[in-house]
Amino acid sequence: NAGVMQNPRHLVRRRGQEARLRCSPMKGHSHVYWYRQLPEEGLKFMVYLQKENIIDESGMPKERFSAEFPKEGPSILRIQQVVRGDSAAYFCASSPKPLSSYEQYFGPGTRLTVT
Amino acid sequence: AQSVAQPEDQVNVAEGNPLTVKCTYSVSGNPYLFWYVQYPNRGLQFLLKYITGDNLVKGSYGFEAEFNKSQTSFHLKKPSALVSDSALYFCAVRMDTGRRALTFGSGTRLQVQP
Repeated sequence: NAGVMQNPRHLVRRRGQEARLRCSPMKGHSHVYWYRQLPEEGLKFMVYLQKENIIDESGMPKERFSAEFPKEGPSILRIQQVVRGDSAAYFCASSPKPLSSYEQYFGPGTRLTVT
Repeated sequence: AQSVAQPEDQVNVAEGNPLTVKCTYSVSGNPYLFWYVQYPNRGLQFLLKYITGDNLVKGSYGFEAEFNKSQTSFHLKKPSALVSDSALYFCAVRMDTGRRALTFGSGTRLQVQP
């Protein structure tokens, strides 16, 4: 059973470009979470999605950031007009059910560098 | 609001000695507590969790953690450290109701010396 998959693993963008990060949850998981990790810091929650629904986006910046989890295909985190401060590792996690007692399984992350 | 504190940025221990990585939390309801480990340039790996029941929970790779409600702590422990345990450890919490997202501590780097 493949784990959570994220691609690309590394992404370099110039300021002002768009970044698209993809996440395929574990098989059978329909709940996806995105987190951001700045260097030497813990993970900060961004958004929680189920198929075709955004459940909680309280951690997502109001501008330039968007996320989706379509009926078919991976979840996408999109950052428009990237700035240097967006440089970070972005992790996706999935869980089989929304119950709080279930642990989340994390992907290897996408390391975004904005030049 | 919920929060997690990991008071030590780094813990150094000799191989074969017991290790403890500290974590305290703050939530307004019943906590669900988790420990994750992160190796360089990798994602987080789940180690163990406390949901309910026994205060001492056992997890992967010989790790265990003790839930202490009165001290609001969930310290990670291992009786005998290995060099391969050297990594970054994160404590996380969520409440039993409401928000599903995990709140993470800032992480503790464990260095096990041979």
